[in-house]
Amino acid sequence: KAGVTQTPRYLIKTRGQQVTLSCSPISGHRSVSWYQQTPGQGLQFLFEYFSETQRNKGNFPGRFSGRQFSNSRSEMNVSTLELGDSALYLCASSLSAGSYEQYFGPGTRLTVT
Amino acid sequence: AQSVTQLGSHVSVSEGALVLLRCNYSSSVPPYLFWYVQYPNQGLQLLLKYTTGATLVKGINGFEAEFKKSETSFHLTKPSAHMSDAAEYFCAVTKPLTGANSKLTFGKGITLSVRP
Repeated sequence: KAGVTQTPRYLIKTRGQQVTLSCSPISGHRSVSWYQQTPGQGLQFLFEYFSETQRNKGNFPGRFSGRQFSNSRSEMNVSTLELGDSALYLCASSLSAGSYEQYFGPGTRLTVT
Repeated sequence: AQSVTQLGSHVSVSEGALVLLRCNYSSSVPPYLFWYVQYPNQGLQLLLKYTTGATLVKGINGFEAEFKKSETSFHLTKPSAHMSDAAEYFCAVTKPLTGANSKLTFGKGITLSVRP
């Protein structure tokens, strides 16, 4: 069974631009969560989607948004990029809403210049 | 609110030596606890988890951890370190049986180095 895939793996953007990251969960998994990983703040929860609905949200500004499609694939968007948004963005999939066992993808490394 | 404390950012051991990575948690309800490992340029891999039942849990690659409620700890151990164990290790906690099961709170992580 294929794992969680994230595209692109690496991305360089300029301050002020916006970016969209994509995540395809493991086949049969319907819940997708997003995390931001930085050296300073560590791993922080962004949001969780299930059945195309956001179930939980972390403490991030409104510039960070996401969505989930009917095939469970998910995208996250960051608008008006700031230097501090440079991070590894990790997607995790799980079987259903509230499922605590999560499987992580390799991440998208975003660099904002 | 939940929190996880991983003391120290770096641990170095010799190959064949005991590995001990410490994790203490704070939670208002009995938690579910996890250890993840991250190799360079990769995502997180689940090593082991504690939900209910036996407090000593065994995971992959010879790792195990013991849930000690009285000490609010969930330390990770491996009897004999291997060079391939060099990686970053994260302890995480979540609130079970709530709508936020999937919201993991992570510690800062510990980098494990293994000397030949």
